[in-house]
Amino acid sequence: KAGVTQTPRYLIKTRGQQVTLSCSPISGHRSVSWYQQTPGQGLQFLFEYFSETQRNKGNFPGRFSGRQFSNSRSEMNVSTLELGDSALYLCASSFVSGGEADTQYFGPGTRLTVL
Amino acid sequence: GESVGLHLPTLSVQEGDNSIINCAYSNSASDYFIWYKQESGKGPQFIIDIRSNMDKRQGQRVTVLLNKTVKHLSLQIAATQPGDSAVYFCAENMYPGGGNKLTFGTGTQLKVEL
Repeated sequence: KAGVTQTPRYLIKTRGQQVTLSCSPISGHRSVSWYQQTPGQGLQFLFEYFSETQRNKGNFPGRFSGRQFSNSRSEMNVSTLELGDSALYLCASSFVSGGEADTQYFGPGTRLTVL
Repeated sequence: GESVGLHLPTLSVQEGDNSIINCAYSNSASDYFIWYKQESGKGPQFIIDIRSNMDKRQGQRVTVLLNKTVKHLSLQIAATQPGDSAVYFCAENMYPGGGNKLTFGTGTQLKVEL
């Protein structure tokens, strides 16, 4: 079974631009979560989508948004990029068993550099 | 100015020895815990998990221990190999009622010396 895939793998943008990252979950997984990883803050939760709805949200500004499609694929968008948004953005998917937390499997990440 | 990176504790072990990586978690209401391994340039890789109704779980060469009284988690790796060199993260799920929102520890760098 194929793992979580993320595109693009690398991205360079300039301040003020916006960016869209894509994530395809493992087949059969219906939950997709996004995380930001930086040397200064470590791994931080952005948001989780399930059944095309945002189910959980972390403490990030509204410039960070996401969505999920009916095939469970997800995108995240960052508008008005800032230098501090440079990070590795990780997507994780899980099978939703219902009633309890599920194991999340991560993709390779998208390395975003903001100049 | 530049942000200072998180200080990653480092554990150095000899090949063939056992490794123990420790983690303190923050929320007594967390009911699900996972250990991940992250190699340079890759995403975190699932190693083993444990739910709060257990205090020990074993996998292949790995064991996770959970002490809820002191909110402590440990990962034991038996017969450590060079391929085990990586950063290891513990994570807790903060939503016992369902949903996925992992809070990660800062990580431990494991270095295996030949």
